[in-house]
Amino acid sequence: AQKVTQAQTEISVVEKEDVTLDCVYETRDTTYYLFWYKQPPSGELVFLIRRNSFDEQNEISGRYSWNFQKSTSSFNFTITASQVVDSAVYFCALSEARTDKLIFGTGTRLQVFP
Amino acid sequence: DTGVSQDPRHKITKRGQNVTFRCDPISEHNRLYWYRQTLGQGPEFLTYFQNEAQLEKSRLLSDRFSAERPKGSFSTLEIQRTEQGDSAMYLCASSFSGYEQYFGPGTRLTVT
Repeated sequence: AQKVTQAQTEISVVEKEDVTLDCVYETRDTTYYLFWYKQPPSGELVFLIRRNSFDEQNEISGRYSWNFQKSTSSFNFTITASQVVDSAVYFCALSEARTDKLIFGTGTRLQVFP
Repeated sequence: DTGVSQDPRHKITKRGQNVTFRCDPISEHNRLYWYRQTLGQGPEFLTYFQNEAQLEKSRLLSDRFSAERPKGSFSTLEIQRTEQGDSAMYLCASSFSGYEQYFGPGTRLTVT
């Protein structure tokens, strides 16, 4: 069965600190996709990244970076030099090749204080 | 390029009433998805369409729920005989052929 675990329920940091959000997934498929979404206080889910299971290269986009490690079934997300605008709930999600449905974790609430 | 839109944004209804929500996807997207999100949880998959065809429906979805996408464009989600447990945010998303899903603002349903 597919499952996504985000063990960190809530993280609080002070502006300019780096923060890493953890995501561990379970799947029996060899072809799958991993995602991160941001849900700010306004409520709308914002797409951040999609990775396929054959591409383990780490990715960096501005202050955001993602570390995908198949050996530990993890897809962690790091925000460098956090800002107050990064405050949101962040969701990790999984989908398998045979279906489009996203399986979400329970989310990590990030609060960045000035 | 306009994003995914949903109507209404908020709905308050009494237990036992029927409700219908509408979703308009991004225009060139052929796939459309419905999810439900309750407080403190991640979104939970309900169903999805490719064009007019409903390809998958969650086994957890009660028979009181039905979704349509009659012309392969907008979609409706109907809940019959609403129950208090149906109170949630109903999210719609769309994608082009299964790539990243873009979400709408959601419809918040409150059943009293």
